[in-house]
Amino acid sequence: DTGVSQNPRHKITKRGQNVTFRCDPISEHNRLYWYRQTLGQGPEFLTYFQNEAQLEKSRLLSDRFSAERPKGSFSTLEIQRTEQGDSAMYLCASSLHFANTGELFFGEGSRLTVL
Amino acid sequence: GQSLEQPSEVTAVEGAIVQINCTYQTSGFYGLSWYQQHDGGAPTFLSYNALDGLEETGRFSSFLSRSDSYGYLLLQELQMKDSASYFCAVLGPGGGGATNKLIFGTGTLLAVQP
Repeated sequence: DTGVSQNPRHKITKRGQNVTFRCDPISEHNRLYWYRQTLGQGPEFLTYFQNEAQLEKSRLLSDRFSAERPKGSFSTLEIQRTEQGDSAMYLCASSLHFANTGELFFGEGSRLTVL
Repeated sequence: GQSLEQPSEVTAVEGAIVQINCTYQTSGFYGLSWYQQHDGGAPTFLSYNALDGLEETGRFSSFLSRSDSYGYLLLQELQMKDSASYFCAVLGPGGGGATNKLIFGTGTLLAVQP
């Protein structure tokens, strides 16, 4: 399978714990995006990378959130001291020719439940 | 600010035609994309309009009017498998220089009935 891969698919944690999600984009894609989606809503932009550089971080992202993309390949999204409001689906997407096509390739997402 | 408006729900019968409208107000605009998302699944790309007019891809068509900040997705010959959420998304400038990002609407839940 050469699509965008995310893991874990599901994570249940207690409030205050740290969690980390991993995204493996399509191999030749240089752009990588993280979105968050809650029930009944559209995906909300969180951050994106071009190669290894993090070029934008949404104001929605508090200091408890950090993302990395070492060597411009896979990416991780870490949430520290989780809160119940962090419960959502975290979606990763990648693209190569996004600016011309408007097409992002999404992974299946990592669903976070904070108890 | 940025906002995209879509109807929250649409119901139609198999074989019918349905149109899902999207109006947007954004700071910066390059084009309008449409995505489909089945329950529990990943959003999947349907179409993209950068210029005014109609783009056709099989049973799906998408229209854009930049002057009206308006677009729509047209689904023909509806099938049960078309039951899903449909999102319009504006491709606009990002905050990191010559970069860009998609801003999504809240989605339209389409229910196709037999």
